[in-house]
Amino acid sequence: EVQLVESGGGLVKPGGSLRLSCAASGFNFNSAWMNWVRQAPGKGLEWVGRIKSKTDGGTTDYAAPVRGRFTISRDNSKNTLYLQMNSLKTEDTAVYYCTSVGELWNWLDPWGQGTLVIVSS
Amino acid sequence: DIQMTQSPSSLSASVGDRITITCRASQSISKYLSWYQQKPGKTPKVLIYAASSLQSGVPSRFSGSGSGTDFTLTISSLQPEDFATYYCQQSYSTPWTFGQGTKVDIK
Repeated sequence: EVQLVESGGGLVKPGGSLRLSCAASGFNFNSAWMNWVRQAPGKGLEWVGRIKSKTDGGTTDYAAPVRGRFTISRDNSKNTLYLQMNSLKTEDTAVYYCTSVGELWNWLDPWGQGTLVIVSS
Repeated sequence: DIQMTQSPSSLSASVGDRITITCRASQSISKYLSWYQQKPGKTPKVLIYAASSLQSGVPSRFSGSGSGTDFTLTISSLQPEDFATYYCQQSYSTPWTFGQGTKVDIK
């Protein structure tokens, strides 16, 4: 069964840091492009960033609101995706989902169940 | 950045109705367009990818069309389980962007 399980969410103060993890199973994680998407309470979906497979260069891209503060990385030996979040702001409060990316047409599937990050003093 | 504009933002419909949601990109995205369904408190689920390809396991009452800048999602006969919020998303160029969502509720 294809599965993505996020962890690491919680309450953090503005300016703080947090690292999210996403454990993948049931598919070839090594060759998958992976994403993070977030959803603020009561709001729509917002793409956070993407990391390509190592075969495709392992490069990352980020949305403007998080560029320079968030870093996506992967450990293929552990089938795990990470999101390092620094200099957190209250507007980063959201449920964070990891997703895999479909080949060629880049659709997002599957999705993890999400992990809630609350940035508040 | 490519902006994705969905319309309408919300609609009320009855079981059995045919509904159409549109999504317009601010520049051409070829067919790099996906549609997602999200029910309250649940994870989004892909319905359509490559503008018109039905994801495995998704009922055939869902269909997508379009290319370039204009796209549509159609539900041919709305079922009770289809009341949800629908999002389009472009993956032609980063930053990949979502539409603002269309909430479909019961009339």
